[in-house]
Amino acid sequence: DVKVTQSSRYLVKRTGEKVFLECVQDMDHENMFWYRQDPGLGLRLIYFSYDVKMKEKGDIPEGYSVSREKKERFSLILESASTNQTSMYLCASASSLGVVTSDEQYFGPGTRLTVT
Amino acid sequence: GQNIDQPTEMTATEGAIVQINCTYQTSGFNGLFWYQQHAGEAPTFLSYNVLDGLEEKGRFSSFLSRSKGYSYLLLKELQMKDSASYLCAVRESTGGFKTIFGAGTRLFVKA
Repeated sequence: DVKVTQSSRYLVKRTGEKVFLECVQDMDHENMFWYRQDPGLGLRLIYFSYDVKMKEKGDIPEGYSVSREKKERFSLILESASTNQTSMYLCASASSLGVVTSDEQYFGPGTRLTVT
Repeated sequence: GQNIDQPTEMTATEGAIVQINCTYQTSGFNGLFWYQQHAGEAPTFLSYNVLDGLEEKGRFSSFLSRSKGYSYLLLKELQMKDSASYLCAVRESTGGFKTIFGAGTRLFVKA
């Protein structure tokens, strides 16, 4: 059974702290993604990676960075947490088999981060 | 710009049929997805369309018209467990596997 795991389900941090969110997948997928999900706004892409050590900015990268040192692991870093980064963070992974296959994304359970 | 529109909420009756529409404007097109998300859970994949037409999978069907930038998800024989959010998403043809999600449609199934 395919699996994407995230390091924490709930996290509470203080303003200004450095925050690490870890994501691990066991499907040998090339692509990994970090989203945040807020009511009424849906899933917004923060960063994605299509290979080890490769990363691309999504739609809202400001205030975030990422690291992908190994194929199975993709980390999201909040350099200095702020209250407007309180959100649900979802990690996902997908294969790259080609256009004729769906290569759908598999999501982790999410991390609900609260910044006070 | 890139934009995906879908209704915010819909209500339907158990046993009925409901159609959830999605319109999109994106930077290129490399497939349209529908995901289901129950409250407090992660999204899960429902369907994929890359060519025009209807894809059927059990009680769920999805339709795509690329020329119109339009898709719909059809749910038949609704069950209470179908109460969830349904997310329309478009994978762009630029920038690798970047996928843009709509805000989702919350479906309430009543008895």
